[in-house]
Amino acid sequence: ETGVTQSPTHLIKTRGQQVTLRCSSQSGHNTVSWYQQALGQGPQFIFQYYREEENGRGNFPPRFSGLQFPNYSSELNVNALELDDSALYLCASSLEQWSGYTFGSGTRLTVV
Amino acid sequence: AQSVTQLDSQVPVFEEAPVELRCNYSSSVSVYLFWYVQYPNQGLQLLLKYLSGSTLVKGINGFEAEFNKSQTSFHLRKPSVHISDTAEYFCAVKEDAGKSTFGDGTTLTVKP
Repeated sequence: ETGVTQSPTHLIKTRGQQVTLRCSSQSGHNTVSWYQQALGQGPQFIFQYYREEENGRGNFPPRFSGLQFPNYSSELNVNALELDDSALYLCASSLEQWSGYTFGSGTRLTVV
Repeated sequence: AQSVTQLDSQVPVFEEAPVELRCNYSSSVSVYLFWYVQYPNQGLQLLLKYLSGSTLVKGINGFEAEFNKSQTSFHLRKPSVHISDTAEYFCAVKEDAGKSTFGDGTTLTVKP
């Protein structure tokens, strides 16, 4: 098993800029989910992709968007960055819809 | 809508003592329940899960949890903790193929 890998590990951006975070799912996992974890809080669901289609979205504005590719890797794009977007962004993949997640180590995004 | 409440934000305990981390949830449908552990600057790792069947589930690192449907609880226990168990623990609930909702976490600190 290769696990879930995320890049980059750390990132500093200026308010108003755009950012793309990347994730490689664990081999064989066809579902990928993205979470935002602010300091001292639990992960908050952003959206989920299943076989390249978005099939669930949390309470995040449209400037948060994503893609899942045929090899099940994924991207999270955030436009017009705000200071409150500073957080740890976690990618998680799962084999089945009801199974637990395998998480990556996350991307720490700081917006200044 | 589903929600998760972790009743203790911090739990200090001495090494080799037993510990219980409490989790209550609310949902209008049947759910799957999970516990994850997060070490500093890392992603979350699945400890154990309840899908169906026996209400007592065993996970990695000697942890176990008991599902109580009438009390809508899923408390995590370990009979004897080690220094290495010091981490953040998250309870999560999932409805079918949808998102997982996480609690705000419990910081377990094991003291020598």
